[in-house]
Amino acid sequence: AQKVTQAQTEISVVEKEDVTLDCVYETRDTTYYLFWYKQPPSGELVFLIRRNSFDEQNEISGRYSWNFQKSTSSFNFTITASQVVDSAVYFCALSEAGTDSWGKLQFGAGTQVVVTP
Amino acid sequence: DAMVIQNPRYQVTQFGKPVTLSCSQTLNHNVMYWYQQKSSQAPKLLFHYYDKDFNNEADTPDNFQSRRPNTSFCFLDIRSPGLGDAAMYLCATSRAGRGAFFGQGTRLTVV
Repeated sequence: AQKVTQAQTEISVVEKEDVTLDCVYETRDTTYYLFWYKQPPSGELVFLIRRNSFDEQNEISGRYSWNFQKSTSSFNFTITASQVVDSAVYFCALSEAGTDSWGKLQFGAGTQVVVTP
Repeated sequence: DAMVIQNPRYQVTQFGKPVTLSCSQTLNHNVMYWYQQKSSQAPKLLFHYYDKDFNNEADTPDNFQSRRPNTSFCFLDIRSPGLGDAAMYLCATSRAGRGAFFGQGTRLTVV
């Protein structure tokens, strides 16, 4: 069975500080996909990033970066120079490979990020 | 510009009175999903459609049904809402190679 663990319940930072969100996952699949989603107070889940299990290259996209380590089953996410608009709940999610599985997501419990001015 | 549209944004229904939530998409994705998200919890998949094929999650109560009359529309029917069904209901679409795209959700209140 798949499982995603986000141990951090809430992180509070002051604007311009960096924020790193931890995510650890469990799966028996050899091919899988990992995601980060943002959920602001309005409720919509906003897709942020996706990583395939066979690609451990870590990248930076604007103020977002991620660190995927298959050896430790971790997929951590960093927001650089945080802004008040980054305040939201962030979900790490896992999906198996398959034509209809891209949206079959196993979510972690979420981490509330609070950025104060 | 909206891609996955859910109506209404807020729905109040009476205990035991059937209610239908709707979702439409302009992305022409062949897969549509319904998630339930209770307060301060992670979203939980209820079921999904791959084209016209319905796929129910094992632990989804029989009280929840879905219809997909065409590619663009998908409906969530709750036959007899209970107080425990109060939640945010999220519709999503996807296609191969992409993650899921979510609508803004419908927040259901049961009184």
